[in-house]
Amino acid sequence: GQNIDQPTEMTATEGAIVQINCTYQTSGFNGLFWYQQHAGEAPTFLSYNVLDGLEEKGRFSSFLSRSKGYSYLLLKELQMKDSASYLCAAMDSNYQLIWGAGTKLIIKP
Amino acid sequence: GAVVSQHPSRVICKSGTSVKIECRSLDFQATTMFWYRQFPKQSLMLMATSNEGSKATYEQGVEKDKFLINHASLTLSTLTVTSAHPEDSSFYICSARDATGDGQPQHFGDGTRLSIL
Repeated sequence: GQNIDQPTEMTATEGAIVQINCTYQTSGFNGLFWYQQHAGEAPTFLSYNVLDGLEEKGRFSSFLSRSKGYSYLLLKELQMKDSASYLCAAMDSNYQLIWGAGTKLIIKP
Repeated sequence: GAVVSQHPSRVICKSGTSVKIECRSLDFQATTMFWYRQFPKQSLMLMATSNEGSKATYEQGVEKDKFLINHASLTLSTLTVTSAHPEDSSFYICSARDATGDGQPQHFGDGTRLSIL
């Protein structure tokens, strides 16, 4: 079956760095996506990886290893506004997104 | 960038009422739209995939007669929750796929919070 695993909750300190891991199993693979979702709001797109390696976009970076079925989202210089849920989603061979349950990130001063 | 407008943002109504939610792609054509439901502290659950001009494809366990989906044009899809009951209270989110392809698989509306009393 298709499955996405990511931690339920993580806590980090303002100004620090945090890495949110995601492992996936899908029928075919057409990319790995990360979304940010604040409470009561719709998800917003953060990043997309389809090739192995690191994609950097400002304070956020995303890494993919296709052979390991593994990705991570790296957040640097954490700010209080980064407190949110981070959703990992893999696109299968039918171009459908398979969603993880999300990782709630709590930032402490 | 691509914008998806979802309306209304919040609905509070009595049990037995039917509620219609609209999802519009404002500056792109969306041959495919998706409807999700999200309960508190849970991830998105895909309810159905809507293709313009054809019947929606519902996920297992989603009642097609209760959740009516219409995708009559390339920019509009509607979800009607018929005879809503308190257990239907949830956050409903639509998303749309840009037919031209822009690096993002889906663009999300702002969601509709449905509360059935």
